[in-house]
Amino acid sequence: DGGITQSPKYLFRKEGQNVTLSCEQNLNHDAMYWYRQDPGQGLRLIYYSQIVNDFQKGDIAEGYSVSREKKESFPLTVTSAQKNPTAFYLCASSLEVAGTGELFFGEGSRLTVL
Amino acid sequence: EDQVTQSPEALRLQEGESSSLNCSYTVSGLRGLFWYRQDPGKGPEFLFTLYSAGEEKEKERLKATLTKKESFLHITAPKPEDSATYLCAVQATRDDKIIFGKGTRLHILP
Repeated sequence: DGGITQSPKYLFRKEGQNVTLSCEQNLNHDAMYWYRQDPGQGLRLIYYSQIVNDFQKGDIAEGYSVSREKKESFPLTVTSAQKNPTAFYLCASSLEVAGTGELFFGEGSRLTVL
Repeated sequence: EDQVTQSPEALRLQEGESSSLNCSYTVSGLRGLFWYRQDPGKGPEFLFTLYSAGEEKEKERLKATLTKKESFLHITAPKPEDSATYLCAVQATRDDKIIFGKGTRLHILP
């Protein structure tokens, strides 16, 4: 089945540690995105990528880093510089950035900083 | 600044009681307006894209409409399985970023 796979589903981290969230898609989509969702808040864009080896900052990129070495993969690293990293992280993909707006989302990764 | 505001924040309806959710938006140039459904602990699921004022889309008990300043998601004779958070988002022609509203939590009582 085609779709987006995020892992891990739940992750606990100690303060000061970096953590990497995995996102893999087999939809052959060019564009991939990372969003953050906090309780009672909308989705906020962290980073997006339109093509391999290229990515752009979203609205809340500080304290995060990404890479896009393969079309299928768009991992997100939450660094120790991120002041409030506890949140629900969502990865998404679309055929192209300026497309129909139909984003396909993964099941999410819930990060808790202890 | 591009902005999306959804109302109400939460809505409780009896099964069969029709209602509408509102999405007001401010954007420099609208490429598209989108509706998503999100179940607790899950990623959002795409419902509709609307491109221009006057456009309407339907899917089962849901109907989305668009004006120059807002969109409505009409829910006709809802069932308990329609309970979810409904998210509205817009994409601007200026930078193609998709901006989401905070959502409306809909609860349908049997």
